[in-house]
Amino acid sequence: GAVVSQHPSWVICKSGTSVKIECRSLDFQATTMFWYRQFPKQSLMLMATSNEGSKATYEQGVEKDKFLINHASLTLSTLTVTSAHPEDSSFYICSARVTGVAEGRREAFFGQGTRLTVV
Amino acid sequence: AQSVTQPDIHITVSEGASLELRCNYSYGATPYLFWYVQSPGQGLQLLLKYFSGDTLVQGIKGFEAEFKRSQSSFNLRKPSVHWSDAAEYFCAVGAASGGSYIPTFGRGTSLIVHP
Repeated sequence: GAVVSQHPSWVICKSGTSVKIECRSLDFQATTMFWYRQFPKQSLMLMATSNEGSKATYEQGVEKDKFLINHASLTLSTLTVTSAHPEDSSFYICSARVTGVAEGRREAFFGQGTRLTVV
Repeated sequence: AQSVTQPDIHITVSEGASLELRCNYSYGATPYLFWYVQSPGQGLQLLLKYFSGDTLVQGIKGFEAEFKRSQSSFNLRKPSVHWSDAAEYFCAVGAASGGSYIPTFGRGTSLIVHP
């Protein structure tokens, strides 16, 4: 299957600073990427849908000014957590999917996730 | 809007025993259905998927799932569980729209395997 790589896997930052998380599709072009947040022992909550070359679509309740998403190329989307606070500590996962392909390949490939701890 | 219910938060089985994880979905049309597995601190790995056709789907690691439209269910099964199967399992439904979809996940079921 296709490979999606997230970097970094772990990050600890001070409260008030910003952190950037990268999501790369390594062997395919992803016109659409998704960013999820997962709290301990809970499901994945979709934060936003990132479309290459256009603005991201945020889910209700997600602060777009706090979680900045940039999808500047077909293989890279970034999530920047601005002015991070302890309550932003979480596991962030991206996924990528190629649109317009045959039905048999219409699935989302996930990165390994990024554990963010804000202290 | 689509939704997914995984009624069991935890399931405990003995190694070698059979397994069934339940998943019910809500969607007005034929959905795309998925099962993912997540090991601690890791991303998600796709076990199997249903788009159309045969309602019994075979996946990796010996897992299978059956789509039952009448029951709006997509339960995951495995005839003999191994200790390495202990993980979090997520059912997801994707509503198709113009060739694209966004998966909605259930809350997950934690599988505990006793030796």
